[in-house]
Amino acid sequence: EVQLVESGGGLVQPGGSLRLSCAASGFTFSSYSMNWVRQAPGKGLEWVSYISSSSSTIYYADSVKGRFTISRDNAKNSLYLQMNSLRDEDTAVYYCARDGQPIHWGQGTLVTVSS
Amino acid sequence: QLVLTQSPSASASLGASVKLTCTLSSGHSSYAIAWHQQQPEKGPRYLMKLNSDGSHSKGDGIPDRFSGSSSGAERYLTISSLQSEDEADYYCQTWGTGIGVFGGGTKLTVL
Repeated sequence: EVQLVESGGGLVQPGGSLRLSCAASGFTFSSYSMNWVRQAPGKGLEWVSYISSSSSTIYYADSVKGRFTISRDNAKNSLYLQMNSLRDEDTAVYYCARDGQPIHWGQGTLVTVSS
Repeated sequence: QLVLTQSPSASASLGASVKLTCTLSSGHSSYAIAWHQQQPEKGPRYLMKLNSDGSHSKGDGIPDRFSGSSSGAERYLTISSLQSEDEADYYCQTWGTGIGVFGGGTKLTVL
């Protein structure tokens, strides 16, 4: 069974940093590209970042470019999102999602940016 | 610019059918999309990938009541024999070069 488990969320002050992790199991992690998607309270889904299976291709939404860094460790079956210079508007539930057929979603981890 | 447009809300009666629409922006009518369901207080759930020719491949365990179709730049999700648990937000998603895009979502109310 495919499982994606996010962790690392929490309360952080504006300007602070946080590192999210996504632990993958039940599939060959190194064969799939991955994404981070977020959802602000009461809002819709927003794509945040993409990383290819070998990390050779990486994309970011304009809203996080220059502040967030996506990475992965295929040996550890893990996906990461390093978030720096956090703003109030980054408050959201962050989901990792596996590409491919079918797409799989994690359960999400809540990031709250507030003073 | 790659944009997906969805109606904010839809409603239909228990046992009836409903057709939700996702419209691709001009110049992108050949793009495939994915449909996702998000029930209240839950994470998203993948429903299907829908191609421009209307062919679609569903996720594991998605009932036959859920189907997809396409016409031009429009991508449809039809839910038949509506059940109370179908009350949810429905999002379409597509991919461009270097970018992922979600529609704004449609909130479906089952009357």
